[in-house]
Amino acid sequence: EAQVTQNPRYLITVTGKKLTVTCSQNMNHEYMSWYRQDPGLGLRQIYYSMNVEVTDKGDVPEGYKVSRKEKRNFPLILESPSPNQTSLYFCASSLRGQGDTIYFGEGSWLTVV
Amino acid sequence: AQSVAQPEDQVNVAEGNPLTVKCTYSVSGNPYLFWYVQYPNRGLQFLLKYITGDNLVKGSYGFEAEFNKSQTSFHLKKPSALVSDSALYFCAVRDFPSGGYQKVTFGTGTKLQVIP
Repeated sequence: EAQVTQNPRYLITVTGKKLTVTCSQNMNHEYMSWYRQDPGLGLRQIYYSMNVEVTDKGDVPEGYKVSRKEKRNFPLILESPSPNQTSLYFCASSLRGQGDTIYFGEGSWLTVV
Repeated sequence: AQSVAQPEDQVNVAEGNPLTVKCTYSVSGNPYLFWYVQYPNRGLQFLLKYITGDNLVKGSYGFEAEFNKSQTSFHLKKPSALVSDSALYFCAVRDFPSGGYQKVTFGTGTKLQVIP
């Protein structure tokens, strides 16, 4: 089954403790991205990647890092999480860009206390 | 810079009535426009997209959307609403890439409530 898988789905962590949210897709997609969803703000793009070793900032990249060492994986790293990073995070992928449909993971609820 | 506006936070409609969820956009080039639906505690599911061609696009679950270039709008419509259509709907735009720029911008979402 074609899917985008992200883990963990739910996480409560403490301020400053590094964490990684993994994302993997099995559709051989070139384009991958991370979003955060906050009430009243919709989805905002954090980072995106157009292919292996090619990443770029989205609208809200501060406090986040990404890497794209393999085509299927695009982990999101929070080096020193803060409470304002409490949010619902989505990983997404598409074949390339332009008009290609974007497929989303189920989301990761992250709470930073 | 590209942008998307969904002017209504919530739309209420009676079951069986037609529904419209509004979306307007702003891009510098030719837009690729998408509608997604999000059910509680789930990811976003693709409904339909406009790339080029016919201005009326048909998608999943009986939804359709009309692309209007002069009004820069891409409103989502359904002739007869179902209670199961109640969800959060997002409009998104992807600008025609220039130099490989691949930003996708989403609206703030519109909650659709279908009343039995």
